[in-house]
Parts: sequence; C-alpha cells; structure tokens
Amino acid sequence: DQQVKQNSPSLSVQEGRISILNCDYTNSMFDYFLWYKKYPAEGPTFLISISSIKDKNEDGRFTVFLNKSAKHLSLHIVPSQPGDSAVYFCAASARVGDKLIFGTGTRLQVFP
Amino acid sequence: DTAVSQTPKYLVTQMGNDKSIKCEQNLGHDTMYWYKQDSKKFLKIMFSYNNKELIINETVPNRFSPKSPDKAHLNLHINSLELGDSAVYFCASSLAHNEQFFGPGTRLTVL
Repeated sequence: DQQVKQNSPSLSVQEGRISILNCDYTNSMFDYFLWYKKYPAEGPTFLISISSIKDKNEDGRFTVFLNKSAKHLSLHIVPSQPGDSAVYFCAASARVGDKLIFGTGTRLQVFP
Repeated sequence: DTAVSQTPKYLVTQMGNDKSIKCEQNLGHDTMYWYKQDSKKFLKIMFSYNNKELIINETVPNRFSPKSPDKAHLNLHINSLELGDSAVYFCASSLAHNEQFFGPGTRLTVL
C-alpha cells in the first residue's frame, strides 16, 4: 500500500523552462511534506518542505504547493538548470519526528 | 566535515555471513534512522532511535539489530545474510521538524 505516490517516473525539461514534479498521498493524517533530491551514488538531500497549515512555500528557484483537499503536492523549479538533473523524492509524515514515507521518485533531466 | 557518514560504502559478502554497517553524525542531532532502498528504488524506514532509545521498528526481520552506543552513532548489524538483503542502506539524522540529513549510503551485495 503505497501511501505516497509519484506517478511520473521521469520528466525531461529544457534548460530555462519550468519543471513541475507531482506527488499524491492517501493518508489524511499526513501534515508535513518534504522534497528530497538525489544524485547517483549519493544520499538524498533535503530541498524544501511544507506543513499542512500552508499551501505554498518558496525558496529561491524552488516552490512547493500543497492542495490538501486533493491530497496533492507539487514542486516547481524555475528556471530549470542542467544541475537540477537528479531523482526527486517527495516524502510525508503524520507528525514532527515521525517516520518519513517516501514516494518512488521522479527522474528529472534538464537538457540544454 | 561530513555531516552524516557511513562505512563501508560498498559491502560484498556471502549468504549466511554476519556484517555490520556503521553510521556517525556530527550535527548534534538526537534522532537517527536507517532506511533501505531496494532494487525497485523504494526508500523505506527500518529503524529510528531517539537519544539512544528505539522509537520506530518497521517489522524488520530480527536478523537486523541496530545498536546506538551514543547519540552520534547508529550501527546496523545483520546476521545470516540472505540474497534479499541486497540493497542500498541509508543512515539519516534529524533534530526536529523532520528535516532529515542522509548519509551517502552503503551498497550491500549478498552473493
């Protein structure tokens, strides 16, 4: 039972354009959501997070949107850069300090 | 000045052997975790320790035994290794707010 789903295994975007990565969840108890970025042979790196009391959080080129009624969140990267090419995981937890439930990841490729 | 480090990075061993993976964090965090990423790339929590106390155990076989000698270390010992244990194991740590910092991973191959 996959509680956090990333239905697009891969995404290809041209440099300078917007990348939109999507994530859906099923557990209505989740109240904290995170995005991680992972390069090959490295551990996941924290990117940005959002709590359920917000619907948007922005950090530089990265913005996370949360739609609680749809149980959906998305990560926008604009403008996309070749160095953004990596696997992106969304994750969720039911409360602070609780375990993270990860999605299966989306491989983003940004081409020149 | 690595924040979360794991040793070894690669581990190749025979079925039935016992092996350990070590993890250390120098971030002053009080919670540490072990995750397993299998061949399908699912990243799943195995254990979590807070101040050396086990707080999460996700129905992992008892061949896996975590040990936390202090807040900065969480080691993973695996007995009687099986083929299905082949995976990448990630250690992570956090202080609060669920922002977990991950180590580089240990790729375990059981032959």
